[in-house]
Amino acid sequence: EPEVTQTPSHQVTQMGQEVILRCVPISNHLYFYWYRQILGQKVEFLVSFYNNEISEKSEIFDDQFSVERPDGSNFTLKIRSTKLEDSAMYFCASSRQGVVWETQYFGPGTRLLVL
Amino acid sequence: RKEVEQDPGPFNVPEGATVAFNCTYSNSASQSFFWYRQDCRKEPKLLMSVYSSGNEDGRFTAQLNRASQYISLLIRDSKLSDSATYLCVQGNTGFQKLVFGTGTRLLVSP
Repeated sequence: EPEVTQTPSHQVTQMGQEVILRCVPISNHLYFYWYRQILGQKVEFLVSFYNNEISEKSEIFDDQFSVERPDGSNFTLKIRSTKLEDSAMYFCASSRQGVVWETQYFGPGTRLLVL
Repeated sequence: RKEVEQDPGPFNVPEGATVAFNCTYSNSASQSFFWYRQDCRKEPKLLMSVYSSGNEDGRFTAQLNRASQYISLLIRDSKLSDSATYLCVQGNTGFQKLVFGTGTRLLVSP
């Protein structure tokens, strides 16, 4: 069964450093997403991406965040200058279509710890 | 009011028990709802979509009550492997964003 993959599984960084989280969505999917989950809290939407453009972003997704699809397979989330409060599990997801009833498939996540 | 509200639990039940979770939502325009399951420190996985007419998948039954704006999940004949956090999820109208509840934790004991 095809699945979303994410690398690295864990990342530790110093406050103020840049991090890039990588995702490989399911190959025939066209819509890509990033969510995050702070420890003990709910999963929160960050951004959706289609046709090389952001289609929606949350208020969490400020100027410190950016997304990119640098080639035909990878989808990345960059945090330019990490803060302590960016420590969380970051999940990438993908779906075939962008309609609300379409299933989003989640990757295993990258656990980011900012010191 | 939170967009999606759930009782965090935990619900402690013995194997074989029937357990039900409810979830309320505030956006009456929402068209799609889901139950996801999340194991500790793992990604959310789709358990089932929730349809207006209600739907069943094996031991799991989901119901949607639009008038009262709540969704339910019923698990029959609980197994040890059902122990997890169950996330009530709303799909926002017109966009692909999923809105998650905080989850209800279920512990099934022998």
